[in-house]
Amino acid sequence: QSVLTQPPSVSGAPGQRVTISCTGSSSNIGAGYDVNWYQQLPGTAPKLFIYGDTNRPSGVPDRFSGSKSGTSASLAITGLQAEDEADYYCQSYDSSLSGYVVFGGGTKLTVL
Amino acid sequence: QLQLQESGPGLVKPSETLSLTCSVSGGSISSSRYYWGWIRQPPGKRLDWIGSIYYSGSTYYNPSLKSRVTISVDTSRNQFSLKLSSVTAADTAVYYCASQIFGVVKPIDKWGQGTLVIVSS
Repeated sequence: QSVLTQPPSVSGAPGQRVTISCTGSSSNIGAGYDVNWYQQLPGTAPKLFIYGDTNRPSGVPDRFSGSKSGTSASLAITGLQAEDEADYYCQSYDSSLSGYVVFGGGTKLTVL
Repeated sequence: QLQLQESGPGLVKPSETLSLTCSVSGGSISSSRYYWGWIRQPPGKRLDWIGSIYYSGSTYYNPSLKSRVTISVDTSRNQFSLKLSSVTAADTAVYYCASQIFGVVKPIDKWGQGTLVIVSS
């Protein structure tokens, strides 16, 4: 059971827009802690795609954007491309139990 | 460009201690900009943060693993290490070492390639 809840899967056709949600609680996202997003292609290490809720590292396409409201955060991908098919994980910090880094359960994005 | 590389046994017997080392190149492990962390991923499952260490030696562990985990840093060798004691099959996973940007949330900006550790007799 993950502290941060993500949908197991989402899908969309090329060119469409999809969003991936990350739902937390008052001890993590709701407490104002930043949310980061990672993309993991099959058989590879994850890659940081969004940090500090909304910021993209250099090299990440501007088709990817992050947002946060209340106890939830979202990753939006516009102009979906076949190369976007991957697992996506959100990550934040939880202040319970003396505090620790937490990941969501991951979402498999399928490009139809 | 910071690079990280895990090394260690790929097979550990149940009840024994898993030991991995991460070698850092392209930057100093004594940088105030980073924590150095370990994350694992059981086959087909989600990412799980194990813990992190600052160059000063300050450590931060996942509460669910804290009783079994020790992370240490060797600044002279630009390496940091993970020890996980009393392992079981549930500890079978790909283990990643990573650099985490200094701060509370510790975003992970560089990852090692990962090393698969299987716990089996």
